[in-house]
Amino acid sequence: DQQVKQNSPSLSVQEGRISILNCDYTNSMFDYFLWYKKYPAEGPTFLISISSIKDKNEDGRFTVFLNKSAKHLSLHIVPSQPGDSAVYFCAASDRGGSEKLVFGKGTKLTVNP
Amino acid sequence: DAGVIQSPRHEVTEMGQEVTLRCKPISGHDYLFWYRQTMMRGLELLIYFNNNVPIDDSGMPEDRFSAKMPNASFSTLKIQPSEPRDSAVYFCASSLAYSGGGETQYFGPGTRLLVL
Repeated sequence: DQQVKQNSPSLSVQEGRISILNCDYTNSMFDYFLWYKKYPAEGPTFLISISSIKDKNEDGRFTVFLNKSAKHLSLHIVPSQPGDSAVYFCAASDRGGSEKLVFGKGTKLTVNP
Repeated sequence: DAGVIQSPRHEVTEMGQEVTLRCKPISGHDYLFWYRQTMMRGLELLIYFNNNVPIDDSGMPEDRFSAKMPNASFSTLKIQPSEPRDSAVYFCASSLAYSGGGETQYFGPGTRLLVL
């Protein structure tokens, strides 16, 4: 069973517009969430995270929103740039449980100039 | 710091052969993770170590897979014998200890394995 789901395999947006990537989770024990970005032929790199005690975390053009009741989080990129084109992975952990991160399958974002 | 180092970057082998993937974590990191990425299953955790000790190997697909961490700066993932379905990108990641768990992990560039 997939505990972290990214239901959109791909997303295409125009440069300068907003990109919204979505992620759903099923395990109510998850209390820490992360987004990673991955370019081809490279490993994933950490982008932004949020603890379950918050509902929003912002870092420059990137904002993550968490809706605990819906078990849903989203990553907003504003404004989108061509360099943001990459695969974005959502990950979650149960901080009281272990060091494990559970990843979604990823969403490939393409930002068109 | 050079980051997490993995070797080789690419490996092509024939079915039945032994494959050894190598990883050097970031110096000072307490945790080391091995992941496998495939189109079907995404990024899945195979095994992780804390201070060189395997903590959770529940993601290791079968007995053909084994992992070791003889010291704080080196780990191997071995597949023997290899099969075509093992073809994937294998990532190593490391992180610092955190009392609550789930600390940010830093990934290596991956090893792309193709088993013919």
